[in-house]
Amino acid sequence: DGGITQSPKYLFRKEGQNVTLSCEQNLNHDAMYWYRQDPGQGLRLIYYSQIVNDFQKGDIAEGYSVSREKKESFPLTVTSAQKNPTAFYLCASSDRVDSNQPQHFGDGTRLSIL
Amino acid sequence: AQSVAQPEDQVNVAEGNPLTVKCTYSVSGNPYLFWYVQYPNRGLQFLLKYITGDNLVKGSYGFEAEFNKSQTSFHLKKPSALVSDSALYFCAVRDAKRGSYIPTFGRGTSLIVHP
Repeated sequence: DGGITQSPKYLFRKEGQNVTLSCEQNLNHDAMYWYRQDPGQGLRLIYYSQIVNDFQKGDIAEGYSVSREKKESFPLTVTSAQKNPTAFYLCASSDRVDSNQPQHFGDGTRLSIL
Repeated sequence: AQSVAQPEDQVNVAEGNPLTVKCTYSVSGNPYLFWYVQYPNRGLQFLLKYITGDNLVKGSYGFEAEFNKSQTSFHLKKPSALVSDSALYFCAVRDAKRGSYIPTFGRGTSLIVHP
């Protein structure tokens, strides 16, 4: 079955620690996205990537970093500079950034502060 | 710029009654419109989309939506609600003009279907 796998499902961060959220897709999609979801605020775009070795900042990129070394993988690092990281993080993909097709979403990672 | 609004944080409906979840949008060109559903601690699942053509779009699980260009709306509807339809619903819009790539999502509407 094709889809997006996010891991871990739950993650805890200590003060001053960087943590990395994994996102893997086997849909052969060029475009991948990271969103942050907070209650009542909908989805906010953190970063997106149109193709391997390329990525662009979204609306709330500060305190986050990404890489896109392989087509299938788009990991998100939440750095210690992100002062309020507690949220539900969603990874998504689509065939192309300029596609009129819907995005496919993973089942999320819930990040909390210890 | 593109934007989308879901004016209701929560919609309550009795099982068996029709349901409507509202969405209005603003784009400078033509819109691509999407509805997604999210169950607790899960990702978003695609329900239906409007790209062009017939204003009434049918999607998964008996849902449909009507595109109304004059009112810039894309309300989600279902003739008879089920308790299992209770979830968070998101509307998203992307301006079809070249250079506007990333969809904008609404804040979500929590649908509660009472038995």
